[in-house]
Amino acid sequence: DAGITQSPRYKITETGRQVTLMCHQTWSHSYMFWYRQDLGHGLRLIYYSAAADITDKGEVPDGYVVSRSKTENFPLTLESATRSQTSVYFCATLQGSTEAFFGQGTRLTVV
Amino acid sequence: AQKITQTQPGMFVQEKEAVTLDCTYDTSDQSYGLFWYKQPSSGEMIFLIYQGSYDEQNATEGRYSLNFQKARKSANLVISASQLGDSAMYFCAMRGFSGSARQLTFGSGTQLTVLP
Repeated sequence: DAGITQSPRYKITETGRQVTLMCHQTWSHSYMFWYRQDLGHGLRLIYYSAAADITDKGEVPDGYVVSRSKTENFPLTLESATRSQTSVYFCATLQGSTEAFFGQGTRLTVV
Repeated sequence: AQKITQTQPGMFVQEKEAVTLDCTYDTSDQSYGLFWYKQPSSGEMIFLIYQGSYDEQNATEGRYSLNFQKARKSANLVISASQLGDSAMYFCAMRGFSGSARQLTFGSGTQLTVLP
């Protein structure tokens, strides 16, 4: 199906473990974004990418790593998960100017 | 850096009435875009409306309109004839078109509750 897919939808992991959240788009949108959503903070940008092999930090990048070797994929890795990284993570794409498309979100719990 | 401010954490409106959700922004870019998204309790992000900084007319999409006042740097969302299904979190967002301003920045959101 066309669109943007995040996996997994739900994840529970232990403190200190590495975990990777996947984001895949079936379009070829240039821009891709990773946000985390926490109560009272709205959506905060973690990293974004303007094209394959071009990534940049957002507002809250510490503890996260991204890569974009292919236009359609933009994985987000938590190198050593902490409880403060418990959140809902959204991936989004943007092509042109007028609309950003969001994945369904990944609810991550770090215990 | 760009910033979005939504000063209303929660709003209530009676069904069938109109409601305005406030959004102010700050940017040094001359060219930028403003967005509104709806997030119902199910969690998905639903695009509502877009306004470009050089658009002379306010954007409208069905019952949604964007009251764009460039000099005041405000981009308020107006929902006419509210429905129970409009109860949701609403986010204002913006992006510039140069350098790091191309990131899409969100406000903290407004929780709208429509009362029967």
